[in-house]
Amino acid sequence: DVVMTQSPLSLPVALGQPASISCTSSQSLVHRNGNTYLNWFHQRPGHSPRRLIYEVSIRDSGVPDRFSGSGSGTDFTLKINRVDAEDVGIYYCMQGSHWPYTFGQGTKLEI
Amino acid sequence: QVQLVQSGAEMKKPGASVKISCKASGYSFTTYDMHWVRQTPGQGLEWVGRIGTSGDDTTYGQKFQGRLTVTRDSSTATVYMELSSLRSDDTGVYYCARDRMGSYEYWGQGTLVTVSS
Repeated sequence: DVVMTQSPLSLPVALGQPASISCTSSQSLVHRNGNTYLNWFHQRPGHSPRRLIYEVSIRDSGVPDRFSGSGSGTDFTLKINRVDAEDVGIYYCMQGSHWPYTFGQGTKLEI
Repeated sequence: QVQLVQSGAEMKKPGASVKISCKASGYSFTTYDMHWVRQTPGQGLEWVGRIGTSGDDTTYGQKFQGRLTVTRDSSTATVYMELSSLRSDDTGVYYCARDRMGSYEYWGQGTLVTVSS
């Protein structure tokens, strides 16, 4: 299975400051069709994960543009350019390029 | 709008089975695969299994082989996940999630399964 490793696991950030989460995969996430199926999710306690970004950098509808995704191959990053109070929670990367789909351990963002 | 509504919380004894449902609405049910993902304290988010659009095509996580069955009923737009020989480390929240292009845009609200004697 592809191992997804996130860092840091805990991320204290002041309001209005930037934040960055790294996600590294144990093998390239380039699918045989040429696409890269790397996703980012945000989860608040008691809620289902919510997708923020798919295919490395495509933001979901309704996701603020302060969120951005980048990367290629095995190294990916989620950036928040100005953290807002509603951004607290746990962020997960997930790969959908290889079976089985696998998730990172999660990064807990707190203000 | 797309909705995935799951059945309620379950409490089971070790060795028992549990069957969870996920009712879909707001889209063409036979167009998308459905996956099951669980969240446990010990393992975080973990892919459990999937069922294809026809219902004949299933794939299960290696650790669930032999005790997991995923089915779908197109007449009611419902997917089912049955896990048998439950152990305490199966305790967690189980989610259904609609798959498209290696991603989950829609998730169910989750079903808590507690395994305890």
